[in-house]
Amino acid sequence: DGGITQSPKYLFRKEGQNVTLSCEQNLNHDAMYWYRQDPGQGLRLIYYSQIVNDFQKGDIAEGYSVSREKKESFPLTVTSAQKNPTAFYLCASTQGALWRTEAFFGQGTRLTVV
Amino acid sequence: AQSVTQPDIHITVSEGASLELRCNYSYGATPYLFWYVQSPGQGLQLLLKYFSGDTLVQGIKGFEAEFKRSQSSFNLRKPSVHWSDAAEYFCAVGAAAGNKLTFGGGTRVLVKP
Repeated sequence: DGGITQSPKYLFRKEGQNVTLSCEQNLNHDAMYWYRQDPGQGLRLIYYSQIVNDFQKGDIAEGYSVSREKKESFPLTVTSAQKNPTAFYLCASTQGALWRTEAFFGQGTRLTVV
Repeated sequence: AQSVTQPDIHITVSEGASLELRCNYSYGATPYLFWYVQSPGQGLQLLLKYFSGDTLVQGIKGFEAEFKRSQSSFNLRKPSVHWSDAAEYFCAVGAAAGNKLTFGGGTRVLVKP
């Protein structure tokens, strides 16, 4: 089945550590996105990539980094510079422009800082 | 800049009753509007979308939404809810400028037996 796979489902991080969240898609979509979800705040865009080896900052990129070396993969690193990383992280992809196209989402990774 | 407001944070509805979720948007041009649903601990799934044409849009799972330009609203409805409709629902507006999709804060729906 085509879709987006995020791993791990749950992740615990000690303060000061960097962690990397995995996102893989087999939908052959060009564009991929990372969102952060906090209760009552909806989804906020962290980074997005419209093509391999290119990515842009979203609304809340500080403390995060990404890479896009393969079309299928868009990993997100939460660095120690992110002051409040505990959240639910969602990866998505689209075939076409985000503003007018259905976005397909993974099942998310819940990150907790301990 | 565009924005989306979902005034109801939580709604409780009895199984078999009707459901209406409110969504108000702010956008200068003609918007693309979406409703997504998120089951607990899961990703989001598209229910329906609107850009032009008939202002009453049919979606999956028996949902429909009505676009009212004069009220800047895009409310989601279902005539008879099922226990499986318990989830969080997000309204979103798409803007060509900046290729942005802005989400509302979500409405969590609880279905009573």
